[in-house]
Amino acid sequence: EIVLTQSPGTLSLSPGERATLSCRASQSVTNTYLAWYQQKPGQAPRLLIHSIFSRATGIPDRFSGSGSGTDFTLTISRLEPEDFAVYYCQQYGTSPYTFGQGTKLEIK
Amino acid sequence: EVQLLESGGGSVQPGGSLRLSCVASGFTFSSYAMNWVRQAPGKGLEWVLGIGSSGADTYYADSVKGRFTVSRDNSKNTLYLQMNSLRAEDTAVYYCAKGQFGSGWPDWGQGTLVTVSS
Repeated sequence: EIVLTQSPGTLSLSPGERATLSCRASQSVTNTYLAWYQQKPGQAPRLLIHSIFSRATGIPDRFSGSGSGTDFTLTISRLEPEDFAVYYCQQYGTSPYTFGQGTKLEIK
Repeated sequence: EVQLLESGGGSVQPGGSLRLSCVASGFTFSSYAMNWVRQAPGKGLEWVLGIGSSGADTYYADSVKGRFTVSRDNSKNTLYLQMNSLRAEDTAVYYCAKGQFGSGWPDWGQGTLVTVSS
């Protein structure tokens, strides 16, 4: 099983600042199948990034993904008020398809 | 517009059974793999089962292997999750999610809550 470890657990920032979220895999992710999701309370997860770099349909370009192998990053270039939420990374290349434990992005 | 609508959640005693359904619309259901993901109260996301487009291939997390079964009826555009021998730790919101040929899982249902308690 590929274990995904996200850091930090909580990130406190202000609107307008840049956010950098990390996801480390216990082994290399198959076929670059690494995704990032955003989840707000009471809502289903929303796909932001797939295949490490590719933004999902309708996702603003302030969200970007990077990385390779076992180290991945989600960057939000300039935080908007609606960006404060929990973010999960996921690998969907090898069963079991695992998620990281999440990073909570909160308003400072 | 893709829509996924889960149903069948509720309260059940430990050791009991429940069957969840996920009715799909807005896309060719028989062409896509599907997954069940759960989220315990206040916790993170946990993938539990997946099934290929034809139903021939199924994938299980160790935490549910031997107790849960995933199936689909492509003629009814419906995904199922049969849950047996339920435990307190199975208490969660259960989401169905549509695969997208290597492009992540862009479509999710609203979730259905399963509570296992005596």
